[in-house]
Amino acid sequence: LAKTTQPISMDSYEGQEVNITCSHNNIATNDYITWYQQFPSQGPRFIIQGYKTKVTNEVASLFIPADRKSSTLSLPRVSLSDTAVYYCLVGGVPGFQKLVFGTGTRLLVSP
Amino acid sequence: DADVTQTPRNRITKTGKRIMLECSQTKGHDRMYWYRQDPGLGLRLIYYSFDVKDINKGEISDGYSVSRQAQAKFSLSLESAIPNQTALYFCATSDPGEDGELFFGEGSRLTVL
Repeated sequence: LAKTTQPISMDSYEGQEVNITCSHNNIATNDYITWYQQFPSQGPRFIIQGYKTKVTNEVASLFIPADRKSSTLSLPRVSLSDTAVYYCLVGGVPGFQKLVFGTGTRLLVSP
Repeated sequence: DADVTQTPRNRITKTGKRIMLECSQTKGHDRMYWYRQDPGLGLRLIYYSFDVKDINKGEISDGYSVSRQAQAKFSLSLESAIPNQTALYFCATSDPGEDGELFFGEGSRLTVL
């Protein structure tokens, strides 16, 4: 399983765009990149998943450069409710891999 | 009702006691997982099961066992609980048809004195 490295914590203010970068230098050819969000005392919740280039949904965007050795989760115009821990996971074909969580990035959004 | 239900939600026990955490799901998924989370840390995979007849060890299976009684039920047992097993435990399910997205329960907080 590819190892991932993320910043331990980030701070932002309401209304700003937040970009969280994840490094995964030894990503395998068939690995996908998935991001989860976790609030205190709750289970993680799926945010977005991608393989290459850019993926966008109603919550976030995921940018993956051509070499796929890193990825960036972009949260547009964050609010206080986006304060959470964000996990980057790298694993094989979706549905056929066991996902391993790292320690994540703790995002604090202030007024 | 939650799609993934864990019982008990909170449990305090003593060292050496046998504890079972139960997970049931109504999503119809074949794949089920047990994770452990310690304060300030990420989730670590204990065991996972890709169908009723399949059981696999995760990163930290020592001191734990599991039982997949049915597609919808996956139990985690601590045969002889010890204090460093104090943690928040999460059950999750997934399905290949849903891109492998993990759906988590609300967690079971276990304290071993």
